[in-house]
Amino acid sequence: QKEVEQNSGPLSVPEGAIASLNCTYSDRGSQSFFWYRQYSGKSPELIMFIYSNGDKEDGRFTAQLNKASQYVSLLIRDSQPSDSATYLCAVIYNAGNMLTFGGGTRLMVKP
Amino acid sequence: NAGVMQNPRHLVRRRGQEARLRCSPMKGHSHVYWYRQLPEEGLKFMVYLQKENIIDESGMPKERFSAEFPKEGPSILRIQQVVRGDSAAYFCASSRSGTGGADTQYFGPGTRLTVL
Repeated sequence: QKEVEQNSGPLSVPEGAIASLNCTYSDRGSQSFFWYRQYSGKSPELIMFIYSNGDKEDGRFTAQLNKASQYVSLLIRDSQPSDSATYLCAVIYNAGNMLTFGGGTRLMVKP
Repeated sequence: NAGVMQNPRHLVRRRGQEARLRCSPMKGHSHVYWYRQLPEEGLKFMVYLQKENIIDESGMPKERFSAEFPKEGPSILRIQQVVRGDSAAYFCASSRSGTGGADTQYFGPGTRLTVL
């Protein structure tokens, strides 16, 4: 069974710090990786996607992919209280179209 | 540039009734996906549709649930004879194409179904 694992948290960081969120996946056939943010009672909002090994930066966010170790991470620099949310890691496997989600990591940024 | 639209946003049904959830994809998107989020659980894929075709329904419960995406109009997720365990948030997502992971799915605001 294809699985995506995340630490449920909460992960608590002070305002201005770097938040590091991690995700592992079970199937080496995975080809595409996504990070979504979900505020309580709201729908998932896309933050970033990454397809290739290495780092991808977008503003305060950096996604990192290591296919050999089967993990993907999200770094949030200069964390703000408004970043407090649940972060969902999602994977699309080869020959598929569905997103397989991890359980999410709850991030709390304290002022 | 309207995003994915879903209605109703909140739906209350009594056990045994039918629930109909609607989803209109983003402009220019022809691929629709339905996901369910049970209370305190993660998002689970249900079904993937293109116009007039069900492409992948591997996540759909075998009974009572059906989905369609007609040539005209929104995609509809239909739940017959609802039970309390169907209470959840149902999210629709759309993408421009379904080329493996090459296209990104954008989510609608969801329909929160409560079964009394």
